[in-house]
Amino acid sequence: EDKVVQSPLSLVVHEGDTVTLNCSYEVTNFRSLLWYKQEKKAPTFLFMLTSSGIEKKSGRLSSILDKKELFSILNITATQTGDSAVYLCAARGGTSYGKLTFGQGTILTVHP
Amino acid sequence: NAGVTQTPKFQVLKTGQSMTLQCAQDMNHEYMSWYRQDPGMGLRLIHYSVGAGITDQGEVPNGYNVSRSTTEDFPLRLLSAAPSQTSVYFCASSPGSSYNQPQHFGDGTRLSIL
Repeated sequence: EDKVVQSPLSLVVHEGDTVTLNCSYEVTNFRSLLWYKQEKKAPTFLFMLTSSGIEKKSGRLSSILDKKELFSILNITATQTGDSAVYLCAARGGTSYGKLTFGQGTILTVHP
Repeated sequence: NAGVTQTPKFQVLKTGQSMTLQCAQDMNHEYMSWYRQDPGMGLRLIHYSVGAGITDQGEVPNGYNVSRSTTEDFPLRLLSAAPSQTSVYFCASSPGSSYNQPQHFGDGTRLSIL
């Protein structure tokens, strides 16, 4: 059975702190690892990683994949209150190209 | 370009009632899927479709039916609602024939079964 585990489940920080969110996966026929940010409504896409060791970066957010150790991390530097959200990690694999297995999510709260 | 549109946004049902959650996308995406999101459990795949006329079960399909008669629409049916189906439901879509495209999500339907 495919499985994705995120840690920590929740995190409280102050503005300006740097945070690291973790995602480990066990997925048959792994294809890619995706990160989403979820505020009030729909998850919004952040990154998709397919190759080990290549960092993806967007502003203060960055992510990297380790396909040997089966994990990914999402870093957020200089956090702001607008970063408060649930961060979801999902692994794509199996025989259907669209099928995603999600982790439980990490609830990030950034205090002023 | 509306993206993925889900209706209704909120619904309250009584146990045993039936209803259909609607999902439509205007991006000509081949792949569509339904997830439910419960506290502490992330999103779990209910059913998915790789194109019109083709559907398959996900991780938690029991109690739900789907059909895909057109590329644009992928309705989710609850035949006899149960309190355990109280959840937030998300529909998602992505272009077909590719592992390298992210899924786009609708805003969700919050469903309560009394």
